[in-house]
Amino acid sequence: EVQLVESGGGLVKPGGSLRLSCEAPRFSLSNYNMNWVRQAPGKGLEWVSSITGHSTYIYYGDSVKGRFTISRDNARNSVFLQMTSLRDEDTAVYYCVREHTEGLGNYFDYWGQGTLVTVST
Amino acid sequence: QSVLTQPPSVSAAPGQKVTISCSGGSSNIGNYYVSWYQQFPGTAPKLLIYDNNKRPSGISDRFSGSTSGTSATLGITGLQTVDEADYYCGTWDDSLSEEVFGGGTKVTVL
Repeated sequence: EVQLVESGGGLVKPGGSLRLSCEAPRFSLSNYNMNWVRQAPGKGLEWVSSITGHSTYIYYGDSVKGRFTISRDNARNSVFLQMTSLRDEDTAVYYCVREHTEGLGNYFDYWGQGTLVTVST
Repeated sequence: QSVLTQPPSVSAAPGQKVTISCSGGSSNIGNYYVSWYQQFPGTAPKLLIYDNNKRPSGISDRFSGSTSGTSATLGITGLQTVDEADYYCGTWDDSLSEEVFGGGTKVTVL
């Protein structure tokens, strides 16, 4: 069974930083593009960032560009999201998501359980 | 304001059919495949439909997807109480260079 395990969420003050991690105990992340998608309380899904298998291409949503950095360590089978200059509106559950890219279209085939980030004084 | 537009809610009686629309444009649905995700409260989204109309293994054939031009539709037939959830459409947008989602639709079984 494919499993994605996020960690690193918590309470942080506005302007602070936090680093999220995502591990995959049962498959090799290096074969996949990986994404972060977030969901603010009571709101819909918002794509945050993606990184290709060997970090060749990296993309960010406009709302986090310049503040968040996605990275991966394939040797540790992990993906990270470094978040800086955090704002109240960054409060959300952050999901680590595997992207399926072989075939007709790309889509998100497996999602982690999510980790909650709360930005508040 | 989401790039893809979905109705906030739809409802129907058990056994009936519901459809959820997802309206976009030429930079997204018009040129890229659409996927749909199902989310129960307090849980992570789950892939329901990919490549516009394909179902992953284990997904009931009561769920179907289709597209026409710059719109996509998710259909649920034989509605059951277990189908009560939020449903999101998603695709790539090449004008934004971002993955975009609809605002989500809550399905209620009356």
